[in-house]
Amino acid sequence: SQELEQSPQSLIVQEGKNLTINCTSSKTLYGLYWYKQKYGEGLIFLMMLQKGGEEKSHEKITAKLDEKKQQSSLHITASQPSHAGIYLCGADIWNSGNTPLVFGKGTRLSVIA
Amino acid sequence: NAGVTQTPKFRILKIGQSMTLQCAQDMNHNYMYWYRQDPGMGLKLIYYSVGAGITDKGEVPNGYNVSRSTTEDFPLRLELAAPSQTSVYFCASSPFQGDYGYTFGSGTRLTVV
Repeated sequence: SQELEQSPQSLIVQEGKNLTINCTSSKTLYGLYWYKQKYGEGLIFLMMLQKGGEEKSHEKITAKLDEKKQQSSLHITASQPSHAGIYLCGADIWNSGNTPLVFGKGTRLSVIA
Repeated sequence: NAGVTQTPKFRILKIGQSMTLQCAQDMNHNYMYWYRQDPGMGLKLIYYSVGAGITDKGEVPNGYNVSRSTTEDFPLRLELAAPSQTSVYFCASSPFQGDYGYTFGSGTRLTVV
């Protein structure tokens, strides 16, 4: 079974529009990480959320963690072609200090002019 | 540049052949990981290591072996390549679990024919 579900699977938005990507866990979240992957490249760490209600921003990207819903949302404001890529969420669902992150399947974002 | 270096970037193997995917990091990170990424399937953990001399299986370890003789290196060995091992392989490292995201390599794209 998939512990982390991302939605939508893919998204096409017009340049300048806002968008939201969701990541929902079937288990308790002890840490939630967002990564971006450009096509054919490795993953770049965006930000990490640990506490319920926490919100972080990096340039035009904002991520929030809803502890009660066990869900994180990634919001991009005024999207640009540079935002295109695959966004993956990773989570610590074991709180052991050693166990690696589990990842969602990713959301493929395309930004069109 | 500091980071995680993976070699080779691309490789085509014939069924039954063996190869080693190399991974090296120069950040003195204790934790290292191997993931595979199949289209639309996100990242699946193959093996991980919490320090030199210590390795553990992930979600999909069958057909692979690892070793961690030094802090810097974490090679992944495929003994008898099968078409099911066609994938993109990512190596990652982190100083420890917690407040830090993983640093990923740029990946190795492997095709088994």
